[in-house]
Amino acid sequence: DSGVTQTPKHLITATGQRVTLRCSPRSGDLSVYWYQQSLDQGLQFLIQYYNGEERAKGNILERFSAQQFPDLHSELNLSSLELGDSALYFCASSVGTGGIYEQFFGPGTRLTVL
Amino acid sequence: AQTVTQSQPEMSVQEAETVTLSCTYDTSESDYYLFWYKQPPSRQMILVIRQEAYKQQNATENRFSVNFQKAAKSFSLKISDSQLGDAAMYFCAYRTPYYGGSQGNLIFGKGTKLSVKP
Repeated sequence: DSGVTQTPKHLITATGQRVTLRCSPRSGDLSVYWYQQSLDQGLQFLIQYYNGEERAKGNILERFSAQQFPDLHSELNLSSLELGDSALYFCASSVGTGGIYEQFFGPGTRLTVL
Repeated sequence: AQTVTQSQPEMSVQEAETVTLSCTYDTSESDYYLFWYKQPPSRQMILVIRQEAYKQQNATENRFSVNFQKAAKSFSLKISDSQLGDAAMYFCAYRTPYYGGSQGNLIFGKGTKLSVKP
């Protein structure tokens, strides 16, 4: 158990819908990273927050957005869902943003878009 | 842009034998971190080993060790005395420097699926 929690574990929805994925980082971790794992794209970085502020963006679609709340939990919002958005979404947390700080991964949310 | 390449989609090893997984990367940075992650069927991402680029000594964690060749931009993982529980997907990852819009996110290779035969 990494100490990072993600809910829900599984999510099945239809095209065009909107969903919210939730991540609670380890106690004391200020940085949250979101990653998407799909058969087509592999594991890719989406977006990062540090202490409530967006710090870096990767290959995140405009239909996707995220935020980090004062209690440091983070939510990833996916809208106008397409079949290709079906994937495993991970969040990871770390104490800081430097490379010396290990990223601890949550168990992931499996999203299926029908 | 940094890239990570794993040229072996699948590998197989006999239990108790040794196997080496390959990884190459491309970067113009001189300071960075490299990682191997294990993803078993449960899908949990588990850190196996980490290497800091400024350290010449190869990292070792029990049965896992790396061969880090900085000039060649190569970072292979050796698993000794393979066990059935080692069967998993293994991902090589590069961690971006902490500056210039990058905040230490990971860049992953496509992965190598390791099977362990009893």
